[in-house]
Amino acid sequence: QSALTQPASVSGSPGQSITISCTGTSSDVGGYNYVSWYQQHPGKAPKLMIYDVSNRPSGVSNRFSGSKSGNTASLTISGLQAEDEADYYCSSYTSSSTPLVFGGGTKLTVL
Amino acid sequence: EVQLVESGGGLVQPGGSLRLSCAASGFTFSSYAMHWVRQAPGKGLEYVSAISSNGGSTYYANSVKGRFTISRDNSKNTLYLQMGSLRAEDMAVYYCARVLPSYVIDPWGQGTLVTVSS
Repeated sequence: QSALTQPASVSGSPGQSITISCTGTSSDVGGYNYVSWYQQHPGKAPKLMIYDVSNRPSGVSNRFSGSKSGNTASLTISGLQAEDEADYYCSSYTSSSTPLVFGGGTKLTVL
Repeated sequence: EVQLVESGGGLVQPGGSLRLSCAASGFTFSSYAMHWVRQAPGKGLEYVSAISSNGGSTYYANSVKGRFTISRDNSKNTLYLQMGSLRAEDMAVYYCARVLPSYVIDPWGQGTLVTVSS
């Protein structure tokens, strides 16, 4: 099954805000509020940043926020910091043969 | 502390087999579905397989269906992935992960590297 579509890369300067999109279909992103976002630093395991479209786990900075419109979910990081530089992946429940699908990942560069 | 520790990765020849294990601690293992997710070198995350909390339901990505088998032993708090007929494209870091409601993955293990090469 097809992965969710994310931009390959985004960049921003410290203090700025950036948004990463995650586009799917009505069978996944558009059909359910089960979108999660994960942060992955090089050589490390992914870390949950946002779940159920817009909820933040305990311990995750409120600079991270999520939203959804139609078949596209978005992750916004405000007040960019150097440590935000990482790869970001979205995931969604899907009604297809397997229950979960990931986005292709977005590399965030903090200039 | 919730912890997942994978083991069993290594070098295997094309066509060979390998069994990965994931030891869980810090939570009631038998209450949670579990996933295996892999990441090829320099590539993104790829869903591999899932198993329900009691082991009664399993799911596989098309790329591994018929070659991989997921299982679990709730008495040992351990998740397994039996991999067979391995191909070069199966080479990746394999992560074990706990599945929360809404198909949220948290936490992830540290991963174990599977290298397929002659």
